[in-house]
Amino acid sequence: AQSVTQPDIHITVSEGASLELRCNYSYGATPYLFWYVQSPGQGLQLLLKYFSGDTLVQGIKGFEAEFKRSQSSFNLRKPSVHWSDAAEYFCAVGAPNQAGTALIFGKGTTLSVSS
Amino acid sequence: NAGVTQTPKFRILKIGQSMTLQCTQDMNHNYMYWYRQDPGMGLKLIYYSVGAGITDKGEVPNGYNVSRSTTEDFPLRLELAAPSQTSVYFCASSPGTGFEQYFGPGTRLTVT
Repeated sequence: AQSVTQPDIHITVSEGASLELRCNYSYGATPYLFWYVQSPGQGLQLLLKYFSGDTLVQGIKGFEAEFKRSQSSFNLRKPSVHWSDAAEYFCAVGAPNQAGTALIFGKGTTLSVSS
Repeated sequence: NAGVTQTPKFRILKIGQSMTLQCTQDMNHNYMYWYRQDPGMGLKLIYYSVGAGITDKGEVPNGYNVSRSTTEDFPLRLELAAPSQTSVYFCASSPGTGFEQYFGPGTRLTVT
């Protein structure tokens, strides 16, 4: 069965420091991969996605993620965090060839930004 | 485009009451989903639909019902509300299997 693990429940980063949020997935083939962000009281917004091709993908708000097949990982990075990045981040996987299936979400990582 | 809209934003129900959460999308997406989000638990799929007239259960369907009479609308019905249904409910739509989903702003429901 597909699954997504986000090992870090809560991370605190200083403003201006770099950020890496971890995501590991379990899936028999290469899935579609996504990172979403949720600000307090808001819905989920897509940051970036990976379907195929270049394993380093760029997203909105200066985020990037790297797909590593050998490690079944899709970690999210940002070189310099801003206070407005404080939010909850969700990694998700999609099965390209399974009709009717929904995305599988990890439990999320809450990012706090200290000044 | 408004994207995915949900009403109401907030609702308080008494145990045993029923209500319908509305969801509408204007992107002509065939796929639509209902999730619930509880603290520390991520999102859990309640029901989904791959097109008008077609619905199927997700991970946590008990206590809920859905219908899909049009491409645009995917209402979620709660019958006999219970405290365990206190949660934030998100509707989402997608252009196809495995593709990114577009989320509505959510409905915060409290059952007391």
